[in-house]
Amino acid sequence: QKEVEQNSGPLSVPEGAIASLNCTYSDRGSQSFFWYRQYSGKSPELIMFIYSNGDKEDGRFTAQLNKASQYVSLLIRDSQPSDSATYLCAVFYGNNRLAFGKGNQVVVIP
Amino acid sequence: GAGVSQTPSNKVTEKGKYVELRCDPISGHTALYWYRQSLGQGPEFLIYFQGTGAADDSGLPNDRFFAVRPEGSVSTLKIQRTERGDSAVYLCASSSLAGLTDTQYFGPGTRLTVL
Repeated sequence: QKEVEQNSGPLSVPEGAIASLNCTYSDRGSQSFFWYRQYSGKSPELIMFIYSNGDKEDGRFTAQLNKASQYVSLLIRDSQPSDSATYLCAVFYGNNRLAFGKGNQVVVIP
Repeated sequence: GAGVSQTPSNKVTEKGKYVELRCDPISGHTALYWYRQSLGQGPEFLIYFQGTGAADDSGLPNDRFFAVRPEGSVSTLKIQRTERGDSAVYLCASSSLAGLTDTQYFGPGTRLTVL
């Protein structure tokens, strides 16, 4: 059973629009949640983390966590061409490992 | 300071050969992780070190894979009798074990190709 699901296919958004990414996880004991960005051929880089229910904003990025429904989302406001990348959702378990989804590709169209 | 470094950046080997992949974590980070990423997939956990000891090696796929971290800093992932299915990008990450907000910082990865 997959622990972290990112089911949406590639997402194309016009420059300046909002990109919305969703992620669900299976273990109710999950403690904290991370969004990483990965450019093609590069390693993942952290965008933000969240561990409390609700919204957390950092610049143009907002993470939303709903533990009751076991989902976490990422909104990218005012999308820029430089935001074109794969976004990885990761769930931190108490045994100090991250479980990753397979990622969602975002393409921002100028 | 410097980030996580990994060497080599690319490794091409033949089926059945032995390879070693090296990771140098961020200075002062006590936790070190190895992940494997196949094309179109997210990173998959392999092993976690806290200090010198392997605290969790449950992600190692079989006994051909082994990792060490003898002095609590640099780590080496060792793969014996490589198979074509081992071809992937091997990522190393380190963290300072800050609890719920523990952030893992990734190195650039080693792309392993087994012919």
